Amino acid sequence: AQSVSQHNHHVILSEAASLELGCNYSYGGTVNLFWYVQYPGQHLQLLLKYFSGDPLVKGIKGFEAEFIKSKFSFNLRKPSVQWSDTAEYFCAVREYGNKLVFGAGTILRVKS
Amino acid sequence: DTGVSQNPRHKITKRGQNVTFRCDPISEHNRLYWYRQTLGQGPEFLTYFQNEAQLEKSRLLSDRFSAERPKGSFSTLEIQRTEQGDSAMYLCAAINQGNTEAFFGQGTRLTVV
Repeated sequence: AQSVSQHNHHVILSEAASLELGCNYSYGGTVNLFWYVQYPGQHLQLLLKYFSGDPLVKGIKGFEAEFIKSKFSFNLRKPSVQWSDTAEYFCAVREYGNKLVFGAGTILRVKS
Repeated sequence: DTGVSQNPRHKITKRGQNVTFRCDPISEHNRLYWYRQTLGQGPEFLTYFQNEAQLEKSRLLSDRFSAERPKGSFSTLEIQRTEQGDSAMYLCAAINQGNTEAFFGQGTRLTVV
């Protein structure tokens, strides 16, 4: 079974700083990868997903992620964060039956 | 609004009591999933249904846990003889036929005291 590791559990940034959150999954082959965000008190929402094609995926709210097959990685980036990006971010890989295997999450706090 | 609603939002129960949670997806969501999320961890898969058929159960789902989805619409997750280790957020997610995006409910936070 797949496993997903997220490199940082807590990240604190100032507004306008650039963001990169690391995500690695455990083994290769065809993978479907996701980033979800959970704002305080809200449900998990899909930020972006990768199935195939262009390894640079653009999502909502200015987020993007790059799939690097050789590194088993799917890192999330945003050039300039805003206070409203304060949330918890989860990387996930899809398994058989559309089950999702999640990483432990990264809590992002953006200081205004 | 994801179209997936969960009730109750919060549940506090005494150890040894039984609890039941409910998930209501919109009718087009033929696959329904239950996940559990504990503090500092991402959601972990528990079980899923395609319509009314329960297709897979995780090893995390002990004998005290049971899930149903009668008529392929809403689903319930019951925990019998709750233990403190059952304290967690229980999440429901649903997917349309042919779709790949899972829509999550807001979860039920269970606290066992």
